[in-house]
Amino acid sequence: DAKTTQPPSMDCAEGRAANLPCNHSTISGNEYVYWYRQIHSQGPQYIIHGLKNNETNEMASLIITEDRKSSTLILPHATLRDTAVYYCIVRVATNTGNQFYFGTGTSLTVIP
Amino acid sequence: DTGVSQNPRHKITKRGQNVTFRCDPISEHNRLYWYRQTLGQGPEFLTYFQNEAQLEKSRLLSDRFSAERPKGSFSTLEIQRTEQGDSAMYLCASSFMQGATDTQYFGPGTRLTVL
Repeated sequence: DAKTTQPPSMDCAEGRAANLPCNHSTISGNEYVYWYRQIHSQGPQYIIHGLKNNETNEMASLIITEDRKSSTLILPHATLRDTAVYYCIVRVATNTGNQFYFGTGTSLTVIP
Repeated sequence: DTGVSQNPRHKITKRGQNVTFRCDPISEHNRLYWYRQTLGQGPEFLTYFQNEAQLEKSRLLSDRFSAERPKGSFSTLEIQRTEQGDSAMYLCASSFMQGATDTQYFGPGTRLTVL
């Protein structure tokens, strides 16, 4: 079962920053936050992940609050190709490995 | 392209038929996962392999479903006696555990339609 809560949809103007929020209030101390996106009819694409520090890569930045109960994915300059469903996932450690539990994500529409 | 590949990309079958899907993971990845995704929902975990060992199965994986990874490389997912409710996108992902990092990389999926 998903351990995250995200708004179902958001709009963002092209060229502006897209800030996608995620709540994960029941996250445990060793559980990572991952972000993926899925463009229609394709497989999910990895974006970024973090544990407690803020992270940045060529695609996005991830800001995790100090209490780790929420995070924000930032796409600094959204383009039309960033229109997708964005999933925030808490990676849960099990006895045999790590599990990803996807929710229903946020559908981001970038508007020209 | 060295990403995860899945075949076929699309499969249409009649109810009651058996179908088999294949997944080729990224070559050095020792972990392989199968997910199912229905319209409007996020992917749901089905099963997971570490090398050739199937270590975890979801309760979603009924006895009509079987998965194998015989040599710890490619994997197959078979659905026997398909039902219309099996219509979905079947996704495969692979990962390599390095330290605490275990990022899953997904293939393009196989879309199954059961008539």
